[in-house]
Amino acid sequence: QVQLQESGPGLVKPSESLSLTCTVSGGSINDIYWSWIRQAPGKGLEWLGYVHSNGEFSSNPSLRSRVSMSIDTSKNQVSLNLNSVTAADTAVYYCTKGSTGQYDPWGQGTLVTVSS
Amino acid sequence: EVVLTQSPGTLSLSPGERATLSCRASRSVRSRFFDWYQQRPGQPPRLLIYSAFTRAAGIPDRFSGSGSGTDFTLTINRLEPEDFAVYYCQQYDSQPPYTFGQGTKVEMK
Repeated sequence: QVQLQESGPGLVKPSESLSLTCTVSGGSINDIYWSWIRQAPGKGLEWLGYVHSNGEFSSNPSLRSRVSMSIDTSKNQVSLNLNSVTAADTAVYYCTKGSTGQYDPWGQGTLVTVSS
Repeated sequence: EVVLTQSPGTLSLSPGERATLSCRASRSVRSRFFDWYQQRPGQPPRLLIYSAFTRAAGIPDRFSGSGSGTDFTLTINRLEPEDFAVYYCQQYDSQPPYTFGQGTKVEMK
């Protein structure tokens, strides 16, 4: 079965960029939508966006132009990039299979703290 | 943006009891674009119910979803110890953002 594993720096400085990778194992990354969702400490879930191997991409309007996502089919990886981060971007970041809903499965998540 | 409001914030129950969780949308949501998730402490969310009524693979039949329009309900019959967790509703009708409720915590009394 498909398994997802997020990775990336646990600490990012304010105004810098946050870059995370989700490695997909147990299945192909092709022709599937992949999403990123985050959860601030003690808070609820926030959808960030989705990406497809054909290049289709959609993001949360609240993030404006700060977010981008991509897929590397040769590495079976999905990437998230978030620019100009602030403390409000401190969260556990999850990758999951799906575009708009029915998210399943999920990775274990990776905590990113924005602090100087 | 569709705002989902879950109630109650916390539900204190004993094993074996029934839990009834509510999710109200700020405008009508088509049932096929409405899901429920369970999140245990330290774990990622897990898909429980999709399209308002359909249990995801491997989900026990003590979990059931109902509702339509702006009012949706998750019912857990005969609570098991592993059911004490936080539950989120989610809608993905129309345009982004696809939103989640703030969560209902089911805690052991």
